Amino acid sequence: GEDVEQSLFLSVREGDSSVINCTYTDSSSTYLYWYKQEPGAGLQLLTYIFSNMDMKQDQRLTVLLNKKDKHLSLRIADTQTGDSAIYFCAEYSSASKIIFGSGTRLSIRP
Amino acid sequence: DVKVTQSSRYLVKRTGEKVFLECVQDMDHENMFWYRQDPGLGLRLIYFSYDVKMKEKGDIPEGYSVSREKKERFSLILESASTNQTSMYLCASSSIDGYTFGSGTRLTVV
Repeated sequence: GEDVEQSLFLSVREGDSSVINCTYTDSSSTYLYWYKQEPGAGLQLLTYIFSNMDMKQDQRLTVLLNKKDKHLSLRIADTQTGDSAIYFCAEYSSASKIIFGSGTRLSIRP
Repeated sequence: DVKVTQSSRYLVKRTGEKVFLECVQDMDHENMFWYRQDPGLGLRLIYFSYDVKMKEKGDIPEGYSVSREKKERFSLILESASTNQTSMYLCASSSIDGYTFGSGTRLTVV
């Protein structure tokens, strides 16, 4: 069945780059997403990438897609304390559903 | 600013009570979703709806029902609340560009 997997925790030093990885199983996914959830809030769409793209860059965010390996990553350059959050990887599956991973909690240390 | 509004941020209910969680969106989206979020489990889909008066079971529909009488409103109903339904509930509506989430309702069943 459809599944999205990501590690649960990541800790990085302030100013370093953060890389959050995700694998998915549905090779027919047309869109892949990264959502950010800050404490006490709902999920906010951070960025998305079409399946026919390899990379998308948006300011400090870089999304890399390896469709052959079904691997998606989110790189946050110059990580700041405000980047502390849970980051969800998600794929657009059939029947207009989005399948979410379990979320990666990013913590920033000084 | 477009948004999804959940009527309550926090709810405390007793075991056996009937609970209504309300969600309203102002984006004229056809698709709406209810998820629950639990630590380490990510988001799990309870029910979703493609159109008024239409509903589909998600991955964990047991103990829940839904109502979509108007396009903008999608209600989640716990017929007889139980302690294992203590969770964060997130409503979303969607277009092809992704989901827009409400800020969530944290339900505690005592």
